[in-house]
Amino acid sequence: SQQGEEDPQALSIQEGENATMNCSYKTSINNLQWYRQNSGRGLVHLILIRSNEREKHSGRLRVTLDTSKKSSSLLITASRAADTASYFCATDPGNQFYFGTGTSLTVIP
Amino acid sequence: EAQVTQNPRYLITVTGKKLTVTCSQNMNHEYMSWYRQDPGLGLRQIYYSMNVEVTDKGDVPEGYKVSRKEKRNFPLILESPSPNQTSLYFCASSLSWGREQFFGPGTRLTVL
Repeated sequence: SQQGEEDPQALSIQEGENATMNCSYKTSINNLQWYRQNSGRGLVHLILIRSNEREKHSGRLRVTLDTSKKSSSLLITASRAADTASYFCATDPGNQFYFGTGTSLTVIP
Repeated sequence: EAQVTQNPRYLITVTGKKLTVTCSQNMNHEYMSWYRQDPGLGLRQIYYSMNVEVTDKGDVPEGYKVSRKEKRNFPLILESPSPNQTSLYFCASSLSWGREQFFGPGTRLTVL
């Protein structure tokens, strides 16, 4: 499988702390995307970073991409209880999409 | 409102009884896709469509069929469902391949 993997599988932090999750993938990519999923619901797109970009910001989100290591990280700053969700990275080699297995984030109020 | 809709949202059926899960988007998106989500396995792509009349297999196409006769609709067909197809299914669409995907609310399927 060309599926990516997120690390850690689960993360629990206090409100106000920063949360960092990592994604590793196996093949060359065009773009890497991060999505959020609230329990059993449809995924929501957070941010897209192109293969020629190294870092991207969107509000409290910061994404980095290291194509030489085939890895990406998602940083959520000043976390809130509403950030509690699962986070997935997705890569797009060829015409397909490959999602990782996700990081489950719990933010404790 | 821009959205992807799926029906039904919940379905319990028996082995071998053909079923169709509908997916429709109102954003004039070219790329549409079906995924299944299973615990510990993340989302796996079943089939995708680059545009009308163009469909292709994803990672786990066995036991599924799709069609794309109109741009807005992309139904998923299970000709003879089996218990290992019990899963949470998501339809998604994007303007084109590689762009942000919009997901439907999901269809929880149980095959007895």
